[in-house]
Amino acid sequence: QQQVKQSPQSLIVQKGGISIINCAYENTAFDYFPWYQQFPGKGPALLIAIRPDVSEKKEGRFTISFNKSAKQFSLHIMDSQPGDSATYFCAAGGGSQGNLIFGKGTKLSVKP
Amino acid sequence: EAGVTQSPTHLIKTRGQQATLRCSPISGHTSVYWYQQALGLGLQFLLWYDEGEERNRGNFPPRFSGRQFPNYSSELNVNALELEDSALYLCASSWRGHLLDPYEQYFGPGTRLTVT
Repeated sequence: QQQVKQSPQSLIVQKGGISIINCAYENTAFDYFPWYQQFPGKGPALLIAIRPDVSEKKEGRFTISFNKSAKQFSLHIMDSQPGDSATYFCAAGGGSQGNLIFGKGTKLSVKP
Repeated sequence: EAGVTQSPTHLIKTRGQQATLRCSPISGHTSVYWYQQALGLGLQFLLWYDEGEERNRGNFPPRFSGRQFPNYSSELNVNALELEDSALYLCASSWRGHLLDPYEQYFGPGTRLTVT
């Protein structure tokens, strides 16, 4: 019940295209859903996060869509750029446990 | 504002030895989290410290331990090192008093531990 399932494992997108990464969770106590971006040799960087009281949040080219009834959320990267090539992790948190539960990551490659 | 800092950057140890990893949180943050990132396994939660107390622990053996100091910095100790402990160890910090997002965590660059 603590798992966060992320797909796909890897994604190749052409420059200017839309990258879509999906996550599903099981624990209905989760109420915080962030996305992190990680470049090789670096720590994960917080990209964007959403609470379940909204269905969508947009920051620049990055959008989170959230479906509470399906217990799913996704990251959309519009106008993908080669500089977006990185590993993306979804996560979920909430309740009293404090820590985040992470998906296994998606390696995104944006081809010029 | 300085971010989360970790030391050392790299650490090479022999099986059976002990490793100590250190973390300084963002100024004003009182919570420190430790995660293990092994190849292909994503980020696995290890320990959460808040206000000097251990608040939660992940599914790791007792030889993984740590503490948080009065200045909110933290150290992670791994005893009796095994080959499978080789991983990137990440520290994150947050401010639990943040009204909107107490779960908002910021990560350091990590310590790469290699056990030979």
